[in-house]
Amino acid sequence: GDSVTQMEGPVTLSEEAFLTINCTYTATGYPSLFWYVQYPGEGLQLLLKATKADDKGSNKGFEATYRKETTSFHLEKGSVQVSDSAVYFCALSPASYGKLTFGQGTILTVHP
Amino acid sequence: DTAVSQTPKYLVTQMGNDKSIKCEQNLGHDTMYWYKQDSKKFLKIMFSYNNKELIINETVPNRFSPKSPDKAHLNLHINSLELGDSAVYFCASSQEGIAGLFFGPGTRLTVL
Repeated sequence: GDSVTQMEGPVTLSEEAFLTINCTYTATGYPSLFWYVQYPGEGLQLLLKATKADDKGSNKGFEATYRKETTSFHLEKGSVQVSDSAVYFCALSPASYGKLTFGQGTILTVHP
Repeated sequence: DTAVSQTPKYLVTQMGNDKSIKCEQNLGHDTMYWYKQDSKKFLKIMFSYNNKELIINETVPNRFSPKSPDKAHLNLHINSLELGDSAVYFCASSQEGIAGLFFGPGTRLTVL
């Protein structure tokens, strides 16, 4: 079945550091890929998405590129802020819409 | 103008009780979901309804019964609550042709 694997957390960074959270997936066909963010005590918000190979999703300074050859969708940000502290989830859906399969989540803490 | 809303936000109850969580979306989406998030933040799909019809029913105890009175509402009823049911339950919705799910704020259920 479909699965998503994220790098183990937690990740702790200083403000303005570079962020990478690795995500790889296993799926048949051509899934859509997503990053969701969950701030403390809140629900999940869609951060960015890519629906086909080589697409780059971007939002709020975060980027991720859909790499079919390496089945990866790594999340990056050039300079993190304290307000980026949250749990980040990589996810896939097997079609253009529909249920999501999530990775285990990565807790990010950014210190001033 | 909340897109996906859930009530209650917190639910504390005793083992053996029966409880319900309600979800409403005002996005006009045709598909709704229930996800469970455990204490390690792992998210797993429980159910999905499309236009009031059950389309996904993962391996969930039959103490959990979803009900969709119309395509804007998806409620979750839980009978004979157990300690292991303690979790955060998220409702979500999606629309064909639009990649990604929209999540509600979650209901934190604590079974004592």
